[in-house]
Amino acid sequence: NAGVTQTPKFRILKIGQSMTLQCTQDMNHNYMYWYRQDPGMGLKLIYYSVGAGITDKGEVPNGYNVSRSTTEDFPLRLELAAPSQTSVYFCASSRGRAGVNTEAFFGQGTRLTVV
Amino acid sequence: AQKITQTQPGMFVQEKEAVTLDCTYDTSDQSYGLFWYKQPSSGEMIFLIYQGSYDEQNATEGRYSLNFQKARKSANLVISASQLGDSAMYFCAMREALSGAGSYQLTFGKGTKLSVIP
Repeated sequence: NAGVTQTPKFRILKIGQSMTLQCTQDMNHNYMYWYRQDPGMGLKLIYYSVGAGITDKGEVPNGYNVSRSTTEDFPLRLELAAPSQTSVYFCASSRGRAGVNTEAFFGQGTRLTVV
Repeated sequence: AQKITQTQPGMFVQEKEAVTLDCTYDTSDQSYGLFWYKQPSSGEMIFLIYQGSYDEQNATEGRYSLNFQKARKSANLVISASQLGDSAMYFCAMREALSGAGSYQLTFGKGTKLSVIP
């Protein structure tokens, strides 16, 4: 069972470089999310998507972009990397139906360092 | 204002003992959900237990139970018979509605680091 798969697991970027964090899920979930986790903190929502072609900003969207061309994939783009974006990034997905147990399934995380 | 508060940055428990991890939340919604996740040192987020705001009984999943006190807005996690493998960060989270499209997000607390002592 693959669940939510993120690549890469680790990456070091130089200031100003760009990169895309990949996320794919095989559970046919409509809802997908990108979170970041800074040291000693909980997770903060960057962007989310309720289905293919639909995305919206979360709590901390600045410096990031997303797209959702298919149900399975939800890549996160960093255009001009900054040291403040050093963090661990988690992709998650869920069924998203209100009123039922809508647990989020998480990927393994991507540890990104910007130097 | 913080919506999820976990007041215990770190906790120690003896192996085989029970431990309670505190979580209080703030919401004006009538319908919401509360979750606990475990994050071991390997970094992945593991779902443990869920409590819906309309659930009358406390949720239980194996050795995990959730002490839900709605009037006090608390959702404490109880781990019975602690094992060495329970050593990890534990996050309390609340399902919150997002603007538009009927979507929601999980809002996380800062976590509690649990260490199980042999």
